[in-house]
Amino acid sequence: AQSVTQLDSQVPVFEEAPVELRCNYSSSVSVYLFWYVQYPNQGLQLLLKYLSGSTLVESINGFEAEFNKSQTSFHLRKPSVHISDTAEYFCAVWMDSSYKLIFGSGTRLLVRP
Amino acid sequence: KAGVTQTPRYLIKTRGQQVTLSCSPISGHRSVSWYQQTPGQGLQFLFEYFSETQRNKGNFPGRFSGRQFSNSRSEMNVSTLELGDSALYLCASSARAGTGAYEQYFGPGTRLTVT
Repeated sequence: AQSVTQLDSQVPVFEEAPVELRCNYSSSVSVYLFWYVQYPNQGLQLLLKYLSGSTLVESINGFEAEFNKSQTSFHLRKPSVHISDTAEYFCAVWMDSSYKLIFGSGTRLLVRP
Repeated sequence: KAGVTQTPRYLIKTRGQQVTLSCSPISGHRSVSWYQQTPGQGLQFLFEYFSETQRNKGNFPGRFSGRQFSNSRSEMNVSTLELGDSALYLCASSARAGTGAYEQYFGPGTRLTVT
């Protein structure tokens, strides 16, 4: 069965520092991978996605993620974070066989001034 | 285009009651999925509908049910509420069907509190 692991439940970081949020998945078939962000009292917003092609995908607000098939990872990075990036981030994999997303447990990014 | 809307946003119910939550997908989207989010269990899939047909259901008791209407709007119902049903219920819609329904757009959720 497919599963998603986010090892870090919380990542504290200072403003303007780089950050990496880790995500590993288990799957024996082709995968579609996603990062979602959830701000307090809000739903999930799609941050970026990997469907095929270039292994490096970028979002409009400076985040990027790299699909690594050999390590079954899809880590999220940002070279310089802002206070406004404080939120919970969820990695997810799409299951074709059952039309659903499988989510990791989430990583709370806490950006301090 | 308007996003996914969910009503109500907040709800307080008593154990044993039943509740109905509503979701309106993005215009043109025909696939609607429901997820439950709790601090202990995280995000868990409830069910997915396309063209008024439930195509998949997660591992939840029969007290959880749903339906989709011809205009793609969806409702989910929870009967005989338990304290553990307190959660954020998220609805997501997708423009594509079947294996192409991977790009899902979420609504703001309905926060259900059971007392």
